[in-house]
Amino acid sequence: AQKVTQAQTEISVVEKEDVTLDCVYETRDTTYYLFWYKQPPSGELVFLIRRNSFDEQNEISGRYSWNFQKSTSSFNFTITASQVVDSAVYFCALSNRDDKIIFGKGTRLHILP
Amino acid sequence: DTGVSQNPRHKITKRGQNVTFRCDPISEHNRLYWYRQTLGQGPEFLTYFQNEAQLEKSRLLSDRFSAERPKGSFSTLEIQRTEQGDSAMYLCASSLGRRTGELFFGEGSRLTVL
Repeated sequence: AQKVTQAQTEISVVEKEDVTLDCVYETRDTTYYLFWYKQPPSGELVFLIRRNSFDEQNEISGRYSWNFQKSTSSFNFTITASQVVDSAVYFCALSNRDDKIIFGKGTRLHILP
Repeated sequence: DTGVSQNPRHKITKRGQNVTFRCDPISEHNRLYWYRQTLGQGPEFLTYFQNEAQLEKSRLLSDRFSAERPKGSFSTLEIQRTEQGDSAMYLCASSLGRRTGELFFGEGSRLTVL
């Protein structure tokens, strides 16, 4: 069975602080994909990143970075120098080759001015 | 607007009534997904299509739920004999098959069952 766990239900940080959102996944497949999605207050989910199970290189995109570690089954997301516009619910998700995507329960991030 | 479109945006119905939601995906996307989201939870997979073929339906979904994508373009999700527990946001998403998991979501259809 596939499962995504986001243990942090809610996080609050002051603007400009760095923040890391944790994601732990479970799967029996050797080929799988991991994702992060953002759901801002407006409600529409927005795709942020996809990683496949064969690529453990960390990725950086502007203030966003992702740390994929197969040894700990984790795919953590760090926002550097957070901004108020980063306030949203962030979902980690997992898919095997058949493309059914399973989402975690999300972490609500509050960036305080 | 060339994004994913969902209608109606909000539906209020009485228990026992049938409701239908429509989703118009991005035109060149061959995959279409339905998810359900309740307050404080992540999206829960319901079903998905590749073109007009329904590839999988969640085992959690009762027989009261049915989805179609008759011509491989728009899709409908029907809930028969609604129950209060069906109250949720119903999300539609589409994707290009080769871009696994890169879903484009609509704004959702909120169902309230009284």
